[in-house]
Formats: sequence, structure tokens, C-alpha cells
Amino acid sequence: QVQFVQSGAEVKKPGASVKVSCKASGSTFTKYAVHWVRQAPGQRLEWMGWINVVNGNTKYSQKVQGRVTLTRDTSANTAYMELSSLRSEDTAVYYCARERTITDGFDMWGQGTMVTVSS
Amino acid sequence: QSALTQPASVSGSPGQSITISCTGTSGDVGGYNYVSWYQQHPGKAPQLMIYEVSNRPSGVSNRFSGSKSGNTASLTISGLQAEDEADYYCTSYTSATTRVFGGGTRLTVL
Repeated sequence: QVQFVQSGAEVKKPGASVKVSCKASGSTFTKYAVHWVRQAPGQRLEWMGWINVVNGNTKYSQKVQGRVTLTRDTSANTAYMELSSLRSEDTAVYYCARERTITDGFDMWGQGTMVTVSS
Repeated sequence: QSALTQPASVSGSPGQSITISCTGTSGDVGGYNYVSWYQQHPGKAPQLMIYEVSNRPSGVSNRFSGSKSGNTASLTISGLQAEDEADYYCTSYTSATTRVFGGGTRLTVL
């Protein structure tokens, strides 16, 4: 059974960086995109960006552009989301999600990683 | 990119039907048939319910259906059941090749 397994919860101070991993368990990376979505406590889902796991191309939302970096390690079947210059409003659950083609929607999600930014 | 507009809440009794709207612009919902819908129970990851406006993934009940007219997409749930109580989000591809989510709708089954 293919699933995305994310790294564990993080607590960071304002100004620090965090790197969250998303490993494809039970399969190898194939031809799809990995999107990152976050959800602040009690708030809506917010799209952050996506990475093409084949060629590494990325696209980011304007809101986090300049602070977020998406990468992947195909040999490890793992995608990464790094967010820098953390502030309290970055406190959220961060999800990775698979999109096989543009028409397919996000058909598989990681379990989520809670990132807390607090002094 | 502003969030797509969804009603904050809807409610219905078991067995009834409800519809959740998702309004965007010609640069997202109206311009592409790449609208999908997600169900999210408290503390859980979202689950895909509808993709490409009206297609259901394998395993999703046929009580869930989707449609689109102009800049507004809709999710209809028929034969409401207690387990349908959850938050629902729409999302769309955009002209900037990004994605945008709706504000979310809390469904209460009375």
C-alpha cells in the first residue's frame, strides 16, 4: 500500500527554519507532483507550492515565495519542504499531497506535521 | 491569489441533500475544469471526494457529485448520513499554474 509518511512535529523559535520530509512508502517516486498544503489551527487549507519529482521544477504561492524551498531526493523517494524566517503565523499542520496529473486532484496525503513557532 | 468563496456552514437532516458552492473567477474555476473537492474530519488529513469537476475516485460513494457553471463549482451530497459531517474544501488550478483552496464549509448533519 502506497502512502506518504511525514516527519515528526517540530517546535521552532521565530526567525529559525524548519525542514519537513515526506517519504513515499511502499513505492518509488514516479511521474507526479508533490504539493504542500498547510492549515493553521482552526483555519482553512492553504496551498503553498508544488514540485515535479521527475525534473525538480517548482512553483510557489506568492504568500510564501522567497521563504519556502521545495526539494526532492529521488533515490530516497522523499520530498522536502523548508520554510525560513519563521513567524508565529507559520504555526500550522503541514501536509504533502500527491497529484498524478493536473486533472486528478490530490489523491494521496501525508498524515501531516505540526510545526509550532513560539519564543 | 484570494481564496475561493464557500459558505461557512451548511446543514441538513439525514436523508436530505445539500449543495456547497465554490465561487472563483475566470482565472481559476471558470477557466479550467480542474476543480476538486476534499472532505476533512477533525484532526485528519483531507480526502479527495471529487476531481476534474465531477469525477469520483474509486471508493467514494455515489452520493457525492460535482458540477460547474461559469465561475461557480458545486458539490452535492445526497442521502445525508451522520458520517458526512465534516469540513469540505474546493480547490482549483489557476492561470498562474498554482492552486487555490476555498475557505472551507462546515457540514452539520442535524
